[in-house]
Amino acid sequence: GESVGLHLPTLSVQEGDNSIINCAYSNSASDYFIWYKQESGKGPQFIIDIRSNMDKRQGQRVTVLLNKTVKHLSLQIAATQPGDSAVYFCAEKVQAGTALIFGKGTTLSVSS
Amino acid sequence: DTGVSQNPRHKITKRGQNVTFRCDPISEHNRLYWYRQTLGQGPEFLTYFQNEAQLEKSRLLSDRFSAERPKGSFSTLEIQRTEQGDSAMYLCASSSPWGGETQYFGPGTRLLVL
Repeated sequence: GESVGLHLPTLSVQEGDNSIINCAYSNSASDYFIWYKQESGKGPQFIIDIRSNMDKRQGQRVTVLLNKTVKHLSLQIAATQPGDSAVYFCAEKVQAGTALIFGKGTTLSVSS
Repeated sequence: DTGVSQNPRHKITKRGQNVTFRCDPISEHNRLYWYRQTLGQGPEFLTYFQNEAQLEKSRLLSDRFSAERPKGSFSTLEIQRTEQGDSAMYLCASSSPWGGETQYFGPGTRLLVL
């Protein structure tokens, strides 16, 4: 079926390092992609999104890269902090669709 | 707090009972979504409302599930004759008609069916 998957279920980094979380998507008809952060017991929190007509978008300490050729999405977090520890999900939405299609998530652990 | 709110935050029920959850979207967001999330998985889409109209339903939304948004503001999700497999986090999200595609999620209602 159509789904978004993540390359690694867990990622451990040291405080201050840069983190890169990867995601592969399968549906070439997807035109919108979004990253969420989810802490234990809470709902997903919006981080950053990108449309398919872009290949890079930057926010505060975060950058999303989109490579449509290989259907790959990544989230870069600069100067990772302990408060960044959470599960990160990427999601896609197909053109003219409404539902976000989520992958399984990557658990980011930041040690100080 | 102007975010999406959901009530109750936790619900424990016995198999066979009915449960109802409520979602209050961000003010002026006319689009509302329900998702279900089981442990270790990403959220799965259940249904979508634009104003009071339910425009899309997932195959996951069995006939025991019903959602309403009578006045185009808050929404309710009811599960009848609950089963242990219904145990999950039920998430609500909303989006603005002007703000693009971004869906903002509430804290969720965690359901445990005994």
